[in-house]
Amino acid sequence: DAGVTQSPTHLIKTRGQHVTLRCSPISGHKSVSWYQQVLGQGPQFIFQYYEKEERGRGNFPDRFSARQFPNYSSELNVNALLLGDSALYLCASSSGGTSIYEQYFGPGTRLTVT
Amino acid sequence: GIQVEQSPPDLILQEGANSTLRCNFSDSVNNLQWFHQNPWGQLINLFYIPSGTKQNGRLSATTVATERYSLLYISSSQTTDSGVYFCAVGGLGTYKYIFGTGTRLKVLA
Repeated sequence: DAGVTQSPTHLIKTRGQHVTLRCSPISGHKSVSWYQQVLGQGPQFIFQYYEKEERGRGNFPDRFSARQFPNYSSELNVNALLLGDSALYLCASSSGGTSIYEQYFGPGTRLTVT
Repeated sequence: GIQVEQSPPDLILQEGANSTLRCNFSDSVNNLQWFHQNPWGQLINLFYIPSGTKQNGRLSATTVATERYSLLYISSSQTTDSGVYFCAVGGLGTYKYIFGTGTRLKVLA
């Protein structure tokens, strides 16, 4: 079975632009979470979606938004990009439900903002 | 919120050596995972271990939830074990993992 997939792998954007990152969960998983990992730090939680509903949101500005589609894939959108948004963006899927359960991470999208 | 501390921050070993990585957390958790992040950034699941002991080949892990810590044991280390090891915890009723700062392991041939 395929694992979590993310696209694109790498992305270079200019300050002020908008970016959309995509994630497809493991087949049968209904929960998708997004994390941001800045160089040298551990991943930081951004969003969690379960059955197309937002279940949790981390301490990120409103420039960050996400959604989950009927096939459980997800998009992360970031508006008005700042240099500090440069990071590895990780998507994780799990069977979800009333807790986190075991999470499986995709390979990530490396975003560079210039 | 829950604080997660990992130790040691850096570790250099000779191939074949054993090591113990520690994860301390500040509050009760009902989810805990250990990950290995490879040089390309991929987080690889090692253990889902909110309590108890598990073993997988040369790796084993123990979580003592009542004392708020977890240990990851690596035996007979290999150069491919190099990378960053993260502990991530989730509290009751939350939907997010909080990651520690990681242990950076380098295994020398």
